[in-house]
Amino acid sequence: KAGVTQTPRYLIKTRGQQVTLSCSPISGHRSVSWYQQTPGQGLQFLFEYFSETQRNKGNFPGRFSGRQFSNSRSEMNVSTLELGDSALYLCASTVDLGETQYFGPGTRLLVL
Amino acid sequence: KQEVTQIPAALSVPEGENLVLNCSFTDSAIYNLQWFRQDPGKGLTSLLLIQSSQREQTSGRLNASLDKSSGRSTLYIAASQPGDSATYLCASSSGGSYIPTFGRGTSLIVHP
Repeated sequence: KAGVTQTPRYLIKTRGQQVTLSCSPISGHRSVSWYQQTPGQGLQFLFEYFSETQRNKGNFPGRFSGRQFSNSRSEMNVSTLELGDSALYLCASTVDLGETQYFGPGTRLLVL
Repeated sequence: KQEVTQIPAALSVPEGENLVLNCSFTDSAIYNLQWFRQDPGKGLTSLLLIQSSQREQTSGRLNASLDKSSGRSTLYIAASQPGDSATYLCASSSGGSYIPTFGRGTSLIVHP
């Protein structure tokens, strides 16, 4: 089975721009979660989608949004980028929450 | 709110040593606890998942135990190898959702 894939792997943006990241989960997995990882804060939960519905949401501002498509692929969008949004963005897929999570390689975002 | 702590933050050991990584959590009403490995700049690789009804899980040279009453989990690595060098994170799911809370990780270096 193919693993979780994320595109793009690296991204450089400037403040004020917006960005869209993509995640393709493992086939058959319906739950996709997004995390932000920074040296200062560690791994922080952004949101989780299940069957095209946002089921859980972390404590991030509304500039962070996401969606899930009928094939379980998910995208997250960050609008009006700030320097502090520079991070490794990870997505994880699972059959359902409570089961083993499988992570993608991440997208490294640098905001200048 | 669940809090997960990992001590020590960093560990350096010679090859061949058996070692124990510690993870503590504040809410003992957990659903599960998962151990991950993360190589620099990469995504997380799931190592072991322990459900709340289980006391331990084993995979190869790895053994993870769970003691809910004391709020602790340990990851035992037998006969460590340089290839084990990575950051090890634990994550606990509890409360009203299955969203995992991650510790900050233990950075392990195994030197030849």
